[in-house]
Amino acid sequence: EAQVTQNPRYLITVTGKKLTVTCSQNMNHEYMSWYRQDPGLGLRQIYYSMNVEVTDKGDVPEGYKVSRKEKRNFPLILESPSPNQTSLYFCASSLGTNNEQFFGPGTRLTVL
Amino acid sequence: GENVEQHPSTLSVQEGDSAVIKCTYSDSASNYFPWYKQELGKRPQLIIDIRSNVGEKKDQRIAVTLNKTAKHFSLHITETQPEDSAVYFCAASGTDRGSTLGRLYFGRGTQLTVWP
Repeated sequence: EAQVTQNPRYLITVTGKKLTVTCSQNMNHEYMSWYRQDPGLGLRQIYYSMNVEVTDKGDVPEGYKVSRKEKRNFPLILESPSPNQTSLYFCASSLGTNNEQFFGPGTRLTVL
Repeated sequence: GENVEQHPSTLSVQEGDSAVIKCTYSDSASNYFPWYKQELGKRPQLIIDIRSNVGEKKDQRIAVTLNKTAKHFSLHITETQPEDSAVYFCAASGTDRGSTLGRLYFGRGTQLTVWP
C-alpha cells in the first residue's frame, strides 16, 4: 500500500531533550517536506527536500534540522526542543512540487 | 517568495447551498494551484488542483477557477452536504528568493461548516 508513515504519532517530552520524528514513504517520491500546524496559522512549512542531499528551509526552520540521506526517509530533528515547538507535525511527499502531496498521519508533539 | 492569502477564515452554509472560498497569490510565475481538505483529526488530502494553462476544472460537486491576470483562484462547492464540513487549504507553487528549489505555499485555511 502506498503510504507516508510517521513515528511517533504522539510524544510528550521536556525542554532540551533531543528528539527525532521519522518520516518514510514507499512511493519513490523525490519531493518531501515537513509542516507544522497550529490553530489559526494553517500549514507552515519547516523544511523541504527535492532529492537526496538536497534540502532547503521553509517558513519556520528555526530550531529544526532535517537530513535526506535516502530517498524514502526524511527525519525531522529537534536538537533542543522548547515549549513553542508544541504542535501537530505533518510529513508529506510527492513526485515533484507540482504534484499531489501525500501527507503522513501526523505527530502530535508536546514540549513541557 | 510567494504569498498566498485565503478568505474567509470561517464559512457556514445551509445544506444544499453553495460555498465559495477564495485565494490570492503574489508570484506571477506560480503555475500549480491545489486544494486540500482536512477533516477533523485527519491528515490533509488533495481534492482538486488546477494548472496555469487551464481556467476552470470540475469534479462532480467541486470546481476550481483560476484568473491568472488577477492572480486569484477559487474553490466552489455546490449542493453542500454535512460531510463537506472540514478545513480547506489552498496552495500555490513558487520559489523562494535565493533558492532554486520549488515549493508549495499554503493559505491559512477555511473552516467550512455545513448545517443540516
